[in-house]
Amino acid sequence: NAGVTQTPKFQVLKTGQSMTLQCAQDMNHEYMSWYRQDPGMGLRLIHYSVGAGITDQGEVPNGYNVSRSTTEDFPLRLLSAAPSQTSVYFCASLGHPSYEQYFGPGTRLTVT
Amino acid sequence: ELKVEQNPLFLSMQEGKNYTIYCNYSTTSDRLYWYRQDPGKSLESLFVLLSNGAVKQEGRLMASLDTKARLSTLHITAAVHDLSATYFCAVDGGFQKLVFGTGTRLLVSP
Repeated sequence: NAGVTQTPKFQVLKTGQSMTLQCAQDMNHEYMSWYRQDPGMGLRLIHYSVGAGITDQGEVPNGYNVSRSTTEDFPLRLLSAAPSQTSVYFCASLGHPSYEQYFGPGTRLTVT
Repeated sequence: ELKVEQNPLFLSMQEGKNYTIYCNYSTTSDRLYWYRQDPGKSLESLFVLLSNGAVKQEGRLMASLDTKARLSTLHITAAVHDLSATYFCAVDGGFQKLVFGTGTRLLVSP
């Protein structure tokens, strides 16, 4: 099992550009989520999905879109990047019945 | 709205000493997580606490959960340098939506 994978590892964008952060898991987990981590802070939930075709907003959803067409993949789209979106982004999936959350390695995004 | 507070935010301790990190949260929850994060790395799961009174131990770390007091503790026994990292607690705010504390940066020195 590769667990939770994320690409790219690093990305630099200019203000106004769009991009998609990829997340995939091979554990057949229904629940997946995206978090962002800003310096000196804990993680904050952006969006989550309880299964293919079902997504919902977390604490800080503005400026981000998600979709879930398969169990394995949960991409995060930045529609028009802003410097405030400079952060480290983590994708996670939830195991059941352990309720253990498995985090990916993260994507470090800088918006100039 | 669920709020999660950790203290202390920074902890400098000597090897061999014991200490406790506290995690308080503001609304009812039955699931609490502890994670470790090394600089530039992802989160490593330490403990998942699923019920009131749950206690789990792994090596020099022991975590407990008191859902009535809305308090979890992470106790470090006889600290060693390898435990230096940032530790986060996270509380399930419903539907597995985790709310994280701001983290405790632990530095263990000889």
